[in-house]
Amino acid sequence: EAGVAQSPRYKIIEKRQSVAFWCNPISGHATLYWYQQILGQGPKLLIQFQNNGVVDDSQLPKDRFSAERLKGVDSTLKIQPAKLEDSAVYLCASTRREGTPNSPLHFGNGTRLTVT
Amino acid sequence: GEDVEQSLFLSVREGDSSVINCTYTDSSSTYLYWYKQEPGAGLQLLTYIFSNMDMKQDQRLTVLLNKKDKHLSLRIADTQTGDSAIYFCAGSILTGGGNKLTFGTGTQLKVEL
Repeated sequence: EAGVAQSPRYKIIEKRQSVAFWCNPISGHATLYWYQQILGQGPKLLIQFQNNGVVDDSQLPKDRFSAERLKGVDSTLKIQPAKLEDSAVYLCASTRREGTPNSPLHFGNGTRLTVT
Repeated sequence: GEDVEQSLFLSVREGDSSVINCTYTDSSSTYLYWYKQEPGAGLQLLTYIFSNMDMKQDQRLTVLLNKKDKHLSLRIADTQTGDSAIYFCAGSILTGGGNKLTFGTGTQLKVEL
């Protein structure tokens, strides 16, 4: 089966600019996650979708970050305006259900964002 | 919320065993996972253990769980150069929104010839 697809692979922007990341999960996977991984740290959950509904966005900085999954398949994550501390790898993951061992999270290769 | 801590680096010689350690704070974690991340790639699930188990073996991998001390370890037998990567432990807590994974800071494993 095809894996989780993310684009772009790399993005460099200046602070206060806007950026958007795209994720296409594995076909049939209802649950989609966006994680932020700052260099030297573990991934931190930003938002979790179940189909097109938000399950958990408690750690999403909503003043500048937004995400949507309108048709319950692809998802976009947007940052507007970007800050220097947003420099990180943004990982998308998907699973059939809520990430149980019988349905583990499958991760994409991520988008590396550099804010200058 | 859950806090998960790991040592930052581990260096071993090829053929030796590697032991990567992890401590966590929330004893209600249902499952505990080990993920591997190679440069420029996403995270790959290696193995997991249910919280009511104390050991699980899967080929070269052995997971030990000490619930009393909230300590998790991953032992890799006969470590190979291809095992060089960053290893993350993660705890899973069931919430109203489903399983929520909290990852540790990662341990970079370097395998030397």
